[in-house]
Amino acid sequence: DTGVSQDPRHKITKRGQNVTFRCDPISEHNRLYWYRQTLGQGPEFLTYFQNEAQLEKSRLLSDRFSAERPKGSFSTLEIQRTEQGDSAMYLCASSLRGPQTSGANVLTFGAGSRLTVL
Amino acid sequence: TQLLEQSPQFLSIQEGENLTVYCNSSSVFSSLQWYRQEPGEGPVLLVTVVTGGEVKKLKRLTFQFGDARKDSSLHITAAQPGDTGLYLCADLPYNNDMRFGAGTRLTVKP
Repeated sequence: DTGVSQDPRHKITKRGQNVTFRCDPISEHNRLYWYRQTLGQGPEFLTYFQNEAQLEKSRLLSDRFSAERPKGSFSTLEIQRTEQGDSAMYLCASSLRGPQTSGANVLTFGAGSRLTVL
Repeated sequence: TQLLEQSPQFLSIQEGENLTVYCNSSSVFSSLQWYRQEPGEGPVLLVTVVTGGEVKKLKRLTFQFGDARKDSSLHITAAQPGDTGLYLCADLPYNNDMRFGAGTRLTVKP
């Protein structure tokens, strides 16, 4: 297993365009998370999935943002009508959690997709 | 809403020096994790602490969890340039909002 993969690593777009990021989690992980990180800040939670179900969404996730995980494996994060304030690193992470899982929730992060909106 | 505060925000030291960074929460941690993030990469887990008063060592890194489980410290002995990075603390409960602090950006100069 190669860990959590994110694509593309860098995306430069013009304001108003749509962008889509893809995340491939660790194959046996049932949870998948999206975070956004701006310069000088820690990651901010956006949303997470348990298998294909989107269980929680942050208030940060405006109507222009949509995330899917249709088959419970890879996930996509789409941003419509991008704004300059959307410029950030978008991080994906995965973990294995369930009724039989004990201990703390441990996230494995991908390297991120850096978005620049001009 | 839980608030995680990390201090200092920035720290620049010479190789060989010792340092301590702190993480404080406005409420009790479910479980506290420390991550290190290098430029252009995602955060990488260093340690998880769960029990109040717990101390864990990872080579030159010593992690302490406060008795009341509302604060933690990370101490690095004899820092090396490879320790440079953003150190993040996080509370990652089972079903609730996942939260990170803003981090301490450490630079270790050779």
